[in-house]
Amino acid sequence: SQQGEEDPQALSIQEGENATMNCSYKTSINNLQWYRQNSGRGLVHLILIRSNEREKHSGRLRVTLDTSKKSSSLLITASRAADTASYFCATQHGNRDDKIIFGKGTRLHILP
Amino acid sequence: EAQVTQNPRYLITVTGKKLTVTCSQNMNHEYMSWYRQDPGLGLRQIYYSMNVEVTDKGDVPEGYKVSRKEKRNFPLILESPSPNQTSLYFCASSFNRASTDTQYFGPGTRLTVL
Repeated sequence: SQQGEEDPQALSIQEGENATMNCSYKTSINNLQWYRQNSGRGLVHLILIRSNEREKHSGRLRVTLDTSKKSSSLLITASRAADTASYFCATQHGNRDDKIIFGKGTRLHILP
Repeated sequence: EAQVTQNPRYLITVTGKKLTVTCSQNMNHEYMSWYRQDPGLGLRQIYYSMNVEVTDKGDVPEGYKVSRKEKRNFPLILESPSPNQTSLYFCASSFNRASTDTQYFGPGTRLTVL
């Protein structure tokens, strides 16, 4: 069963604007990860946030985690054309820490 | 350069013809995994390996086999491919468990089974 689900499925914004994507999950987690995938290529790890963290930054990326709502958000500030990609959240599988489940992703398109 | 390599990158084959997709990493990672990616379904894990000679089923293992005889290699074997195995396949590795560590992905293998 799918653990993390991203929302929206697709998002188009103007270059320079901020992009926000959300991920909701069903069971409690120890941490949550975000990955980026450029069209047809391998995924690239962006950030990992632990369950005892509420917010984490990496460059223009800001990730928040709300364990009470079982949700996370990824904010990309001052978007660029190169940010056009699919973004996936990944959560552990139930109580197991040896495998993770990826959501179906949000397709982000940055318009020039 | 630290990387995960997969071969071949593209493969068209016919139903029933055994094939192997190789995966190799040069980062001395213990954890390796295979995923398939299909439109509308996202990435689904096929098999994973915590270490040499240790493999376990993921969410969609039917029709696939793997082996982990060496730490760096984790081949994916399709003994009798079928059209429903047409997909984009990714190998990934991490130093530690996937849920606590960064996974590094290969470039992908696009497989078409006719």
